[in-house]
Order: sequence, then C-alpha cells, then structure tokens
Amino acid sequence: DVKVTQSSRYLVKRTGEKVFLECVQDMDHENMFWYRQDPGLGLRLIYFSYDVKMKEKGDIPEGYSVSREKKERFSLILESASTNQTSMYLCASSNPQGRETQYFGPGTRLLVL
Amino acid sequence: QKEVEQNSGPLSVPEGAIASLNCTYSDRVSQSFFWYRQYSGKSPELIMSIYSNGDKEDGRFTAQLNKASQYVSLLIRDSQPSDSATYLCAVNVNTGNQFYFGTGTSLTVIP
Repeated sequence: DVKVTQSSRYLVKRTGEKVFLECVQDMDHENMFWYRQDPGLGLRLIYFSYDVKMKEKGDIPEGYSVSREKKERFSLILESASTNQTSMYLCASSNPQGRETQYFGPGTRLLVL
Repeated sequence: QKEVEQNSGPLSVPEGAIASLNCTYSDRVSQSFFWYRQYSGKSPELIMSIYSNGDKEDGRFTAQLNKASQYVSLLIRDSQPSDSATYLCAVNVNTGNQFYFGTGTSLTVIP
C-alpha cells in the first residue's frame, strides 16, 4: 500500500524560529514535492526534487529551503519562520513516468505566532 | 493565464442527483489528467485518472476528457452526503514532470 508520511500533523512555532518539516515515502519514488495550501489559493508548489541531492524551485520558494539526502526522505526548512508562513504543508511523491499520479502525505498544519 | 482553471463553487446538489465538475487547462502538451477529492482538513486523495479522449467510468464516477477543447470533467452520479468535499483537477505535463492543480471546486450534497 502506498504510503507518504509527514513528521507532524500540527505544529506551533514562534516568529524567527527555524522549522523542519519531514516527509518520508516508502514507494521508491524518484520525485518528491512540497506544497502549501491556503484558502482560495489552492496548492502552490514550493520545491521539488527529481533525485537525491537534486532540488528545483517551484512557484513560491522564497523563505524556504529543502534537503534530500536519501531517496525516501525530503525535508522542508523554514529558516526563520514568519506569520505569513502559517499554512497547511503537503508533501507528495511520484514516479517520473507521465501517467503516474502524485501521492500525498496527511499534511502538516503549521501555525506561526 | 492559469494552467488549470476550475469554478470554485460552491456547488450544491441534492442527494441522489448528478454533480458535474469542470476543469480547463492551457497547455496542449498535457498528457495525464487526474481528479482528487479533499475533505476538510485532510490531504487530497486520487479518485480518477484519464489519459485518452472520451469517458472513463469507475463506479459512480465518470471522468470525461476532450483534448481538442482542453477540457476535463468529473460526473458523480447518485450523489451522497459523503461526497461533500473539495474536488481538485490536476494536469501532468510530461516535460519536467510537474503537476498543475486547479484551485478546487467545493461540492455540498444536501440530504
């Protein structure tokens, strides 16, 4: 059974803190993605990765960085959290074949105070 | 112009009716098309995929694709209150392996 897990379901952090969100997939997928989802704005791509140690900027990379040291793990880092980064963060993975869908983790709801 | 556009709704239908959700996309090289269902506070889950022009049926769900018109739709027959959710349309463009998501259509099925 397909599985994408995220390290936390809910997080509360203070402005200026460094925040780590981790995502692990057990499907041996090559592609991994980080999105944020806000009401009325839909899913917005922050970063994605095609392979270990590879990363590509998405539509809204500012204020974020990522790390992919192992194929199954993709981390999103907020270097200095700000209140406008309060959001639902969703990790997804897929294989590069064109017909492969993306599988989502359960999401992390982050509140920055 | 957005890559994928959906009517945000909300769309309300009575229980037992057909719900029709629509999506248009801008990139003509798009290859794969997906419908996700997302309950409030949960992550998206795949319910249908379609790759060729025409209809694809799976239980109460039918996806319809018209590449010439760059249009994909989802029909839900015999709608149930449990179908109340936001439905996301997604398009995969082979080049770059990126997915483009619509902003979603909120569906409410009224008992």
